[in-house]
Amino acid sequence: QVQLQESGPGLVKPSQTLSLTCTVSGGSISNSGYYWSWIRQPAGKGLEWIGRIFDNGNTNYNPSLKSRVTISVDTSKNQFSLELRSVTAADTAVYYCTRGSQTISPWGQGTLVTVSS
Amino acid sequence: QSALTQPASVSGSPGQSITISCTGTSSDVGSCNYVSWYQQQPGKAPKLMIYDVSNRPSGVSHRFSGSKSGNTASLTISGLQAEDEADYYCNSCTVSNTIMFGGGTKLTVL
Repeated sequence: QVQLQESGPGLVKPSQTLSLTCTVSGGSISNSGYYWSWIRQPAGKGLEWIGRIFDNGNTNYNPSLKSRVTISVDTSKNQFSLELRSVTAADTAVYYCTRGSQTISPWGQGTLVTVSS
Repeated sequence: QSALTQPASVSGSPGQSITISCTGTSSDVGSCNYVSWYQQQPGKAPKLMIYDVSNRPSGVSHRFSGSKSGNTASLTISGLQAEDEADYYCNSCTVSNTIMFGGGTKLTVL
């Protein structure tokens, strides 16, 4: 079955760019017919949808983050990525990559990213 | 965009039924047939429990059911069990081609 794994730095300095990659195994992103999404969860708080990319590269973003976010896909590596620019402490959270956006399954295990100097 | 509204907490005794509501607007829940529900155990990634308002994925107990009326979706858990204690989240598409989550509900099994 499809599995997702997030990877990237666990610590990012304020004002810098948070970059994460999601590696998909057990299935291909290309021509999958699925959206692939990033979702985050600050400690003790709820889930926040960041954005999604379709298998043709089309993207949609959360309006509150849109000016700072880019989601891209590398079909040759079967990966998709998240860039979040100009981060602050408020961006500290567990970041999940997922298949789907309205019906989300499966989820990656999540990776904690802390924004601190 | 604001989060969909869920009660912060609900509780019930083993064997009872509980319902968690997820209230949005005519721009999201009211116009979207793709409302889903997720269960999150402490320290774990969320798990899909209901999709497309009322469908259960393979392997999810029949005790979980979903429905929608107007701008409010609901998750009902019947025959509560201790293992159902978790946080529950709804999500919905919107007319703006974005996704919204509910604020989450903590279910306590007494």
